[in-house]
Amino acid sequence: KAGVTQTPRYLIKTRGQQVTLSCSPISGHRSVSWYQQTPGQGLQFLFEYFSETQRNKGNFPGRFSGRQFSNSRSEMNVSTLELGDSALYLCASTGTESYEQYFGPGTRLTVT
Amino acid sequence: AQSVTQLGSHVSVSEGALVLLRCNYSSSVPPYLFWYVQYPNQGLQLLLKYTSAATLVKGINGFEAEFKKSETSFHLTKPSAHMSDAAEYFCAVSDRGYSTLTFGKGTMLLVSP
Repeated sequence: KAGVTQTPRYLIKTRGQQVTLSCSPISGHRSVSWYQQTPGQGLQFLFEYFSETQRNKGNFPGRFSGRQFSNSRSEMNVSTLELGDSALYLCASTGTESYEQYFGPGTRLTVT
Repeated sequence: AQSVTQLGSHVSVSEGALVLLRCNYSSSVPPYLFWYVQYPNQGLQLLLKYTSAATLVKGINGFEAEFKKSETSFHLTKPSAHMSDAAEYFCAVSDRGYSTLTFGKGTMLLVSP
């Protein structure tokens, strides 16, 4: 089986812009979670989607949003980018019979 | 609320020495516990998990961890370190029935020849 894929791998954006990141889960996995990783805050949970519905949400401002499509692919969007949004954004997918989360390689976002 | 504490942001060992990475958790319900490894510029790879079966869990690459409820600990060990083990290691906890992971701050393992 192919693993979790994330596109793009690297992004450079300017403060105030918006960005959309994409995640394709492992085939058959219906749950997709997003995490933000920064040197200062570590790994923080953003949100989780299951069958196109947001099931859990972390403590992030409304500028961070996401969605999931019928094929389980997920996107996350960050509007009005701030310098502090520079981070590695990781996506993980989970199968229905396991609590194991399988992570993609991440998207490195740099906001200048 | 759940939390995870990893003692030591950096741990240095010599090749062939014992690896011990410490993890303590706080959870209001019996948790699921995980160890992940992250190599530079890569995502997280699952090393092993505890989901209430055997308290001694064996994972990939020779790593194992023991769940000790009385000590609320889930320390990661490997008898003999290899240079290829140099990476950052994360301990994580989740409530049963939910897939949200709460991570520790991570421990960077440095292996010297």
